[in-house]
Amino acid sequence: EPEVTQTPSHQVTQMGQEVILRCVPISNHLYFYWYRQILGQKVEFLVSFYNNEISEKSEIFDDQFSVERPDGSNFTLKIRSTKLEDSAMYFCASSPPGLENYEQYFGPGTRLTVT
Amino acid sequence: AQTVTQSQPEMSVQEAETVTLSCTYDTSENNYYLFWYKQPPSRQMILVIRQEAYKQQNATENRFSVNFQKAAKSFSLKISDSQLGDTAMYFCAFMKRYNNNDMRFGAGTRLTVKP
Repeated sequence: EPEVTQTPSHQVTQMGQEVILRCVPISNHLYFYWYRQILGQKVEFLVSFYNNEISEKSEIFDDQFSVERPDGSNFTLKIRSTKLEDSAMYFCASSPPGLENYEQYFGPGTRLTVT
Repeated sequence: AQTVTQSQPEMSVQEAETVTLSCTYDTSENNYYLFWYKQPPSRQMILVIRQEAYKQQNATENRFSVNFQKAAKSFSLKISDSQLGDTAMYFCAFMKRYNNNDMRFGAGTRLTVKP
């Protein structure tokens, strides 16, 4: 069964450094998402992406964040200058085309630790 | 804005017993979807069950069923014949219909199944 994959599974970085989290959505999916979950807290929406542009973003997704689909398979989340409070689990998700194909398939997550 | 409330931070149940997890939500939308996700210690997000708001019939998936009360904006999850592998965090989530929107999650309920 096709699945969403994410790399790396764990990333440790120093405060102020740039990080890129990578996701490979399911191949025929057209909608892509990033969520984050700070340890012990709920999952929060960051951004959705469709047709090579951001379709929706939350207040968390400020100028430090950007997303890109550099080729036909990868979907990346970049954090320009990481802060301690960016430490969290980051989940990528994708959903297929069609108005009624609403289910989002989540990847296994990338644990980001900012020191 | 849509909000999702899970009022039970922690619950426990004996193996083979039945447990019900509560979820309420607030929205002015009429068309939407509701979900229950399971997050085991691996932190993978696993879809347990989903409900379309336009369907009156409660969704069931093997040992998992929901009690969807649209007027009361309530969406509880019932787990029958609880198994040790059901131990996890359970998140209720809401998504508007159409446009493959972002999902809004509740704070979660930590369920422990005791042998």
